[in-house]
Amino acid sequence: AQTVTQSQPEMSVQEAETVTLSCTYDTSENNYYLFWYKQPPSRQMILVIRQEAYKQQNATENRFSVNFQKAAKSFSLKISDSQLGDTAMYFCAFMNYGNKLVFGAGTILRVKS
Amino acid sequence: GAGVSQSPSNKVTEKGKDVELRCDPISGHTALYWYRQSLGQGLEFLIYFQGNSAPDKSGLPSDRFSAERTGGSVSTLTIQRTQQEDSAVYLCASSGRDRTSTDTQYFGPGTRLTVL
Repeated sequence: AQTVTQSQPEMSVQEAETVTLSCTYDTSENNYYLFWYKQPPSRQMILVIRQEAYKQQNATENRFSVNFQKAAKSFSLKISDSQLGDTAMYFCAFMNYGNKLVFGAGTILRVKS
Repeated sequence: GAGVSQSPSNKVTEKGKDVELRCDPISGHTALYWYRQSLGQGLEFLIYFQGNSAPDKSGLPSDRFSAERTGGSVSTLTIQRTQQEDSAVYLCASSGRDRTSTDTQYFGPGTRLTVL
């Protein structure tokens, strides 16, 4: 069974600074997807970024980028120029094709002004 | 277009009562998922629908939990004889298989269930 580990329960960052959230996973699959979702206090789970395992290039979405290390089974999220609106719980998630998401425990990120 | 919607937003019920939670997926999405989010257990998969059939219901915690999907669209999660440990946020997600969003799941706002 796949597992996802987020070792940082809480993180803080100053506005406009850069922060990196860690995620490792365990799987014997070769093809899969990885995701970062954001859940603000409103409870709505919002997709931040996704990565296909067969792609070597790291995914980027504006201020958000990932460092995907397939051999090390590591998938960290970098947030640049942090904004107050980035304050949320961030979940790393694994999925093999067409199947369920397996989530990590989450990291609470607080952006301070 | 509209996102995934869920109703009710909040539900308070008494122990032993039955509850129904509803999910309306994004129009055209063929896959639908239910997850449960609780303080002690984190985010757990419950059941997955492809069209109206459920090829994976491995996450349903007991036979008190059931779900159905009709017309390849709306899904209902039913919890019978609710227990206090059923208190959680129930999240629904859907995914399509078009070229731009293959396998990405989009979530609804969730239903917070409180069992007294």
